Amino acid sequence: EAGVTQFPSHSVIEKGQTVTLRCDPISGHDNLYWYRRVMGKEIKFLLHFVKESKQDESGMPNNRFLAERTGGTYSTLKVQPAELEDSGVYFCASSLIAGSSTDTQYFGPGTRLTVL
Amino acid sequence: AQSVTQLGSHVSVSEGALVLLRCNYSSSVPPYLFWYVQYPNQGLQLLLKYTSAATLVKGINGFEAEFKKSETSFHLTKPSAHMSDAAEYFCAVSDNFNKFYFGSGTKLNVKP
Repeated sequence: EAGVTQFPSHSVIEKGQTVTLRCDPISGHDNLYWYRRVMGKEIKFLLHFVKESKQDESGMPNNRFLAERTGGTYSTLKVQPAELEDSGVYFCASSLIAGSSTDTQYFGPGTRLTVL
Repeated sequence: AQSVTQLGSHVSVSEGALVLLRCNYSSSVPPYLFWYVQYPNQGLQLLLKYTSAATLVKGINGFEAEFKKSETSFHLTKPSAHMSDAAEYFCAVSDNFNKFYFGSGTKLNVKP
């Protein structure tokens, strides 16, 4: 079974440009999460989808970030326009059952974003 | 509010020595606690989790962690380090298994 995949693995853009990150969850997982790790600090929660609906987007830093999950399958995270402080590693995770102690969030390898 | 503090961003041990990675948490509700490991170029992998059952939790690859409420700690241990244990380890807390609060990570180096 394929794990969570993320594309691209690395992205280098200039300040002011737009970048779109993609996450493909494990097949059948209704729950999809985005996290971000900035400058080797803690990994911070961004948002949680249940199918195509945003269940919790309390961690989204500002309106330059737009997450979508059309059709409830893969998700995209767009940053427009990118700022220097957006640099970091963006992780995606998925789980089968939301809020279950018996389930696990499975993480992808992350996308390393560098904004110059 | 919930948060996690991992003491020591880098820990170095010799092969065969005890591994001890420290994690202290802050939570306003009974917490659920997790340890994840990230090997180079891979995603985070769950090592173990505490879900209010036994306070001593055993995970994969010989790791275990003990929940100590009085100390608000959830330290990760392994009796004997292997070279393959070299990775970055993250402690996390959650109150609902959806939104995780992670620590800043500890890189474990294992010396031959």
